[in-house]
Amino acid sequence: KNQVEQSPQSLIILEGKNCTLQCNYTVSPFSNLRWYKQDTGRGPVSLTIMTFSENTKSNGRYTATLDADTKQSSLHITASQLSDSASYICVVSAHTGGFKTIFGAGTRLFVKA
Amino acid sequence: DTAVSQTPKYLVTQMGNDKSIKCEQNLGHDTMYWYKQDSKKFLKIMFSYNNKELIINETVPNRFSPKSPDKAHLNLHINSLELGDSAVYFCASSSQGEGYTFGSGTRLTVV
Repeated sequence: KNQVEQSPQSLIILEGKNCTLQCNYTVSPFSNLRWYKQDTGRGPVSLTIMTFSENTKSNGRYTATLDADTKQSSLHITASQLSDSASYICVVSAHTGGFKTIFGAGTRLFVKA
Repeated sequence: DTAVSQTPKYLVTQMGNDKSIKCEQNLGHDTMYWYKQDSKKFLKIMFSYNNKELIINETVPNRFSPKSPDKAHLNLHINSLELGDSAVYFCASSSQGEGYTFGSGTRLTVV
């Protein structure tokens, strides 16, 4: 069964600290993996997209890693800011079309002053 | 300019009513989608549509129907609304090989 599991469900950190969010998937055959940031009351916004051959991609203070062998990805946030408080959603797509795009449930990040 | 815009942002309606949510994208993308985000925050795809093909998630009740007057629009029509339809509905668009661009969502509350 195609699944995307994220951990932790929620996380509270102090402003300025780093954190890492995890994503494990069983989606096959793998095409790409995306991380999205969803602010409360808004639609998800793309942070990174990685294909099979990529194992690291950065977008400012956000760095995503991908291990296609173990089917794991992480999103590392450096020097967190209050505006980083949001849900972070891992999305994995398969090679075939149709509905082979699976969304994780997200990790809810709270950054406190 | 808003890339993917949906209206209305909030919709409160009674059970049994028929309602529509509109979506427009100005990105020139060839595929549009409707997603439902439930109370557990899972995003579940409902429809995928481009000018060639409509793909329907078989779990979506046939009370839900997408309508596309042209490539830049994909509206969602819902008949005989039920309490369980209450959720946030997101429109999205994409081109092949690119990520999705989402609208800001429509919060539907059925009372």
